[in-house]
Amino acid sequence: GAGVSQSPRYKVAKRGQDVALRCDPISGHVSLFWYQQALGQGPEFLTYFQNEAQLDKSGLPSDRFFAERPEGSVSTLKIQRTQQEDSAVYLCASSLGLTSISGQETQYFGPGTRLLVL
Amino acid sequence: ILNVEQSPQSLHVQEGDSTNFTCSFPSSNFYALHWYRWETAKSPEALFVMTLNGDEKKKGRISATLNTKEGYSYLYIKGSQPEDSATYLCAFGGGGGADGLTFGKGTHLIIQP
Repeated sequence: GAGVSQSPRYKVAKRGQDVALRCDPISGHVSLFWYQQALGQGPEFLTYFQNEAQLDKSGLPSDRFFAERPEGSVSTLKIQRTQQEDSAVYLCASSLGLTSISGQETQYFGPGTRLLVL
Repeated sequence: ILNVEQSPQSLHVQEGDSTNFTCSFPSSNFYALHWYRWETAKSPEALFVMTLNGDEKKKGRISATLNTKEGYSYLYIKGSQPEDSATYLCAFGGGGGADGLTFGKGTHLIIQP
């Protein structure tokens, strides 16, 4: 079946520009996660949705970052007034959401969006 | 702040040789340890999820072990092939309200023909 897809795969933005990154999770997956991977680092957690509810946004680095999942399927990560330090790969993952302990479920990742802010 | 460490950072191995690398993680608030393989320009691929101390998992030529009391996991690859070249990431799934995974920086494995 279809896996997690993300678009665009690559995005070049000028500093100060707003960007929107899209994630299509696996159909039927309740849980959705966003991660940011800076160069030379491992992916870092940004935010978590259970259906349309954003249950954890503790990893969002500033109020310029905003995520939504209005109908409980597709999610969008928006970055306002991009800065050079926002350059990174943004990964989306989804999981079944059958357990209350989300850390125990396999998360299925998309290929990521590579964002470069000039 | 959770600390997940992977070693070595990178590794060159001859085709046909076996290899292993390490992930260390906090031994408290442990719920799961995940291993992923990430090839360039592809999605990270889930290899294993391990939840119990002493767990051993196997998938083809790749296997993993887990020691939650001392906070480490080993990933083994037997008879390395060029297609094993990738970055291998481990991730700690903890409790205490932590919903996301905490990743290490990865081990970059290159198999030389």
